[in-house]
Amino acid sequence: GAVVSQHPSRVICKSGTSVKIECRSLDFQATTMFWYRQFPKQSLMLMATSNEGSKATYEQGVEKDKFLINHASLTLSTLTVTSAHPEDSSFYICSARVQSNEKLFFGSGTQLSVL
Amino acid sequence: DQQVKQNSPSLSVQEGRISILNCDYTNSMFDYFLWYKKYPAEGPTFLISISSIKDKNEDGRFTVFLNKSAKHLSLHIVPSQPGDSAVYFCAASAGYGNKLVFGAGTILRVKS
Repeated sequence: GAVVSQHPSRVICKSGTSVKIECRSLDFQATTMFWYRQFPKQSLMLMATSNEGSKATYEQGVEKDKFLINHASLTLSTLTVTSAHPEDSSFYICSARVQSNEKLFFGSGTQLSVL
Repeated sequence: DQQVKQNSPSLSVQEGRISILNCDYTNSMFDYFLWYKKYPAEGPTFLISISSIKDKNEDGRFTVFLNKSAKHLSLHIVPSQPGDSAVYFCAASAGYGNKLVFGAGTILRVKS
């Protein structure tokens, strides 16, 4: 199946710093990428949908100025958590979808811990 | 507001027996359902899906059953194998290809 690479897998940062997470589709072109967040014992929650070359669509309650998403190419999307705070500590995971294919291919996730 | 619920956080099954993972949903607009499996340190991978026009879909050892009136679906794995030990996520969408809403997952442990 298709491979989605996500980096870093784990990051620990100080409160107030910004963290960038990369999501790459390695062997296919992803017209749409999704970013999810999962708190312990809760569901994977969709944060935003990004389409290559256009602005991301954020879900209700997700601050677009805090979670910056860039999808500059068909193989790369980045999520930047700006001015991170301890409440942003969570598991972030990206997924990509090949056009006209409903299946999502997931990255391995990033565990963010903000001290 | 959890639209997709997996009420059992974990399940333990003996190798060779049947594993049944359950999922309930509240949104009557959902018409496409999927199961994903996730191993530690890896992303979820697609397992099996079912559309609302069916009540059963089978793929090898995996069968998904859909009860629309009860807004309930289940994943049956038979026979269960130790390699099936993973977290299983149920997901639903309103319309094919639309955004997925996930449950919290169920940890399956298959004991040998």
